[in-house]
Amino acid sequence: DVKVTQSSRYLVKRTGEKVFLECVQDMDHENMFWYRQDPGLGLRLIYFSYDVKMKEKGDIPEGYSVSREKKERFSLILESASTNQTSMYLCASSLPGDYGYTFGSGTRLTVV
Amino acid sequence: SQQGEEDPQALSIQEGENATMNCSYKTSINNLQWYRQNSGRGLVHLILIRSNEREKHSGRLRVTLDTSKKSSSLLITASRAADTASYFCATEGLTGGGNKLTFGTGTQLKVEL
Repeated sequence: DVKVTQSSRYLVKRTGEKVFLECVQDMDHENMFWYRQDPGLGLRLIYFSYDVKMKEKGDIPEGYSVSREKKERFSLILESASTNQTSMYLCASSLPGDYGYTFGSGTRLTVV
Repeated sequence: SQQGEEDPQALSIQEGENATMNCSYKTSINNLQWYRQNSGRGLVHLILIRSNEREKHSGRLRVTLDTSKKSSSLLITASRAADTASYFCATEGLTGGGNKLTFGTGTQLKVEL
């Protein structure tokens, strides 16, 4: 069964901490994405990557960075966590072209 | 920016009834996709319809696309309690690359026994 695995289901961090959210896929997908989901706002794209070492800003990249050193792994980094980054974070991957995304189960991050 | 807007925001029906959800979007698209999300979990891809297609079926799902009105609908026939979930439309625009999707805010469907 193909999978996108997010390292943590729930995470609690303190304001100002550097936070790493890890995502690994086993489908050899070129594209990988990070979204955050907030009530009433739907899913918003933070960053995406269409190849190893390539990254593109999404709609809300401020306060975040990403790393893609290997094809299967896409990491989201919160440089200095703030309370307004409390959210559900969803990782997804896809093949190039007209294909749907495969999502991970999400990481619910709380910044206190 | 939100590309898709689903309507209604919430829908409650009885098991066996049909459920229809609508999605409107703003800019030209390459394809439109529908996803389901069970409470607090990741999204599951349901169906993809290309911009040159008008209708597509998958099991109990029927999707229509009207690019002149920039709208789509998702019909779930003979609904079951297990269909209770949030449903999102997502559009892939013509520019930007990387097959990135813009999601709407979702329709919460509740199917009651």
